[in-house]
Amino acid sequence: KQEVTQIPAALSVPEGENLVLNCSFTDSAIYNLQWFRQDPGKGLTSLLLIQSSQREQTSGRLNASLDKSSGRSTLYIAASQPGDSATYLCAVRPGANNLFFGTGTRLTVIP
Amino acid sequence: NAGVMQNPRHLVRRRGQEARLRCSPMKGHSHVYWYRQLPEEGLKFMVYLQKENIIDESGMPKERFSAEFPKEGPSILRIQQVVRGDSAAYFCASSPPGQGAKETQYFGPGTRLLVL
Repeated sequence: KQEVTQIPAALSVPEGENLVLNCSFTDSAIYNLQWFRQDPGKGLTSLLLIQSSQREQTSGRLNASLDKSSGRSTLYIAASQPGDSATYLCAVRPGANNLFFGTGTRLTVIP
Repeated sequence: NAGVMQNPRHLVRRRGQEARLRCSPMKGHSHVYWYRQLPEEGLKFMVYLQKENIIDESGMPKERFSAEFPKEGPSILRIQQVVRGDSAAYFCASSPPGQGAKETQYFGPGTRLLVL
């Protein structure tokens, strides 16, 4: 059964720091992995989608990597800003039907 | 192009009442997914629908919950005889027809259901 774990559960950093969020999954048979951002009381915003054949994706200050064989992904955020404060969710897609989500990392960037 | 729309955004029901949650997918999207986020838990898949068809309902509770995506109109998630444990945020996502599992799912803002 697929399980997705995100560590740490919460993280506080001062503004300007670079940081790494971790995601691990137990079943490597996935089509892709997606990182989302969730703001309090809001929906999910897709940040990056990495197909199973890819190793990494970049968008602005964000870089996500995928090591499918070891069941790991990281989300790297460069030069963090207070506006980056949110919960970051990792989700894997084992098939066409659904996503398996981790419980998220709650990030606070302190001005 | 408007994003995925869900209404109502907040819904309060008393135990035993019915809750109807609506989801309008993005224009051109024919695949709809419903997820539930219980307090302090991650999102859990409930059901995947295409127009007029339920494709996968493996995450739906066996009783009281049903979903539909008619030919015309929004997708509806219906919860009958709600109980306090149904209190959660319910998210809808949509994706276009095409490459199936390779497509990004686009999420709506969610409906927060509170059962008193």
